[in-house]
Amino acid sequence: AQSVTQLGSHVSVSEGALVLLRCNYSSSVPPYLFWYVQYPNQGLQLLLKYTTGATLVKGINGFEAEFKKSETSFHLTKPSAHMSDAAEYFCAVSDGRSSYKLIFGSGTRLLVRP
Amino acid sequence: KAGVTQTPRYLIKTRGQQVTLSCSPISGHRSVSWYQQTPGQGLQFLFEYFSETQRNKGNFPGRFSGRQFSNSRSEMNVSTLELGDSALYLCASSAESYEQYFGPGTRLTVT
Repeated sequence: AQSVTQLGSHVSVSEGALVLLRCNYSSSVPPYLFWYVQYPNQGLQLLLKYTTGATLVKGINGFEAEFKKSETSFHLTKPSAHMSDAAEYFCAVSDGRSSYKLIFGSGTRLLVRP
Repeated sequence: KAGVTQTPRYLIKTRGQQVTLSCSPISGHRSVSWYQQTPGQGLQFLFEYFSETQRNKGNFPGRFSGRQFSNSRSEMNVSTLELGDSALYLCASSAESYEQYFGPGTRLTVT
């Protein structure tokens, strides 16, 4: 069975500081991995995805993530936080087989201090 | 292209009633998935429909059901509502690329 673990339910950074949100996954097959962002009272927006190929994936709004198979990790980073990055972030995994079902982590709320 | 739309956005129901939520996917997308989001359980997969067929189902009781129409629009129904069904219900559509695009959700409150 697949699962996703997001370390830290809350992460607080200063504006301009590095953002690092951690995600570890468990999957018996090569996974497809995703990061989504959710702003208050909104749905989920896809930030980036890893399916195959290059392990460093660039997404929208300056975010990127690196797939590390040996560490079963897919951490999300952004070099410089902006106030508008304050939101909840979800890591998700799909087995990429017969259905598009996503298994989500519990989420990390990012707080950005001025 | 217009995004995924969900109606209604907010709903208040009483225990024991039933409710139907609607989702219109992005034009051309044939897959529609439903998720339940609660503070306690997080985001949980309900079911996925592809070309009017249920392709996958999550671990929810039979009170939760869904269907998909020939135009890819989807509905989900919850019968005999319980307080614990209060949640944000999210619909997502996909065009066979494993990228799912989410709607704004329907917030259901059961009193």
